[in-house]
Amino acid sequence: GDSVTQMEGPVTLSEEAFLTINCTYTATGYPSLFWYVQYPGEGLQLLLKATKADDKGSNKGFEATYRKETTSFHLEKGSVQVSDSAVYFCALSRTGGSYIPTFGRGTSLIVHP
Amino acid sequence: NAGVTQTPKFQVLKTGQSMTLQCAQDMNHNSMYWYRQDPGMGLRLIYYSASEGTTDKGEVPNGYNVSRLNKREFSLRLESAAPSQTSVYFCASSEWGNSNQPQHFGDGTRLSIL
Repeated sequence: GDSVTQMEGPVTLSEEAFLTINCTYTATGYPSLFWYVQYPGEGLQLLLKATKADDKGSNKGFEATYRKETTSFHLEKGSVQVSDSAVYFCALSRTGGSYIPTFGRGTSLIVHP
Repeated sequence: NAGVTQTPKFQVLKTGQSMTLQCAQDMNHNSMYWYRQDPGMGLRLIYYSASEGTTDKGEVPNGYNVSRLNKREFSLRLESAAPSQTSVYFCASSEWGNSNQPQHFGDGTRLSIL
């Protein structure tokens, strides 16, 4: 079946550091890929998405590129802020399947001033 | 924009009590979902409703029941609460059959069972 694997956290960084959160997936066909962010006390919200190979999703300074050859969708940001502290979830959704998204377990990011 | 609204936000129950978690969406989505989130476990799907009039079990349905009241509302019921059901519960909605579209989540119900 489909699966999403994220790096375990927490990831702890200083403000203005470079961020990478790794995400790899297993799925048949051509899934759509998503990053969601969950701030403390809130629900998940879409951060960015990519729907086909080599697409780059971007939002709020975050980027991720859909790499079919490596089945990866790593999240990056050039300079993190304290306000980026949150839990980040990678997810996929596959056309022709059950349409139920598959989520990774989430990666907690803590940014110190 | 309300999006997905969950009530209540917090609840404390005693073992054996029952309660219903409410969820409503105003985005005209076909599909609605209930998840639970536990530390280190990520999100686990309890039940989902692909469209009005249908409901299906997810990964962890035991101890729960659901009702899709209409297109807007999807409730989750705990008939006899157990401490293992202490968790944060999230409702979500989306368009069914369109894998390019994301899910939209409520802010959760934090449930403690003593």
